[in-house]
Amino acid sequence: QSVLTQPPSVSGAPGQRVTISCTGSSSNIGAGYDVHWYQQLPGTAPKLLIYGSSNRPSGVPERFSGSKSGTSASLAITGLQAEDEADYYCQSYDSSQSGSGYVFGTGTKVTVL
Amino acid sequence: EVQLVESGGGLVKPGGSLRLSCAASGFTFSNAWMKWVRQAPGKGLEWVGRIKSKADGGATDYAAPVKGRFTISRDDSKNTLYLQMNSLKTEDTGVYYCTTVGCSSSTSCYGDHWGQGTLVTVSS
Repeated sequence: QSVLTQPPSVSGAPGQRVTISCTGSSSNIGAGYDVHWYQQLPGTAPKLLIYGSSNRPSGVPERFSGSKSGTSASLAITGLQAEDEADYYCQSYDSSQSGSGYVFGTGTKVTVL
Repeated sequence: EVQLVESGGGLVKPGGSLRLSCAASGFTFSNAWMKWVRQAPGKGLEWVGRIKSKADGGATDYAAPVKGRFTISRDDSKNTLYLQMNSLKTEDTGVYYCTTVGCSSSTSCYGDHWGQGTLVTVSS
């Protein structure tokens, strides 16, 4: 099971701001490892949205932003649009006694009302 | 334009084997770190494993659920990444994606380009 916890769903009206949390622990986000975010539109492959906790790849709209603090990270979508309806996943690195590797969050479905 | 095309998925019985391929184009494959990520039906994403470039040693790392059963390899002359899956279990069922790996540090790596995925079904 995933070591990064996200809310199963969030929703908002067009134009609103929504945030998605990604809660980890001292062996991943709290250890200082970066958080990355992916968007998965229905029936398609995931797409990189944010890397290094707060950087946007070229082509990703400025309405998507990321931040990190302590053992958590957040993805904010401002000016929500219908095309933002998708599943969103956070990802980090985990180093614990049971082993090390890359871990994903549980995923959040964003619904545009 | 970066393109990643996975193939080799299909139906296999528990305990069986399958080899997935990922044909890469649009970038210098030999310099790239690559990884495999899977997604069970209706579920979230799960990291499977990663292979470094030969210039960086070519080392592989695997997630605990597949360690000892799956092997990642690469053929830089064919610009192709492979995933050999042995002793398959029903819980290995899902879509398998190959991705390029971008890193801002050795432990800050992410999948910056993704293929369309190939479906693996393990069932009797």
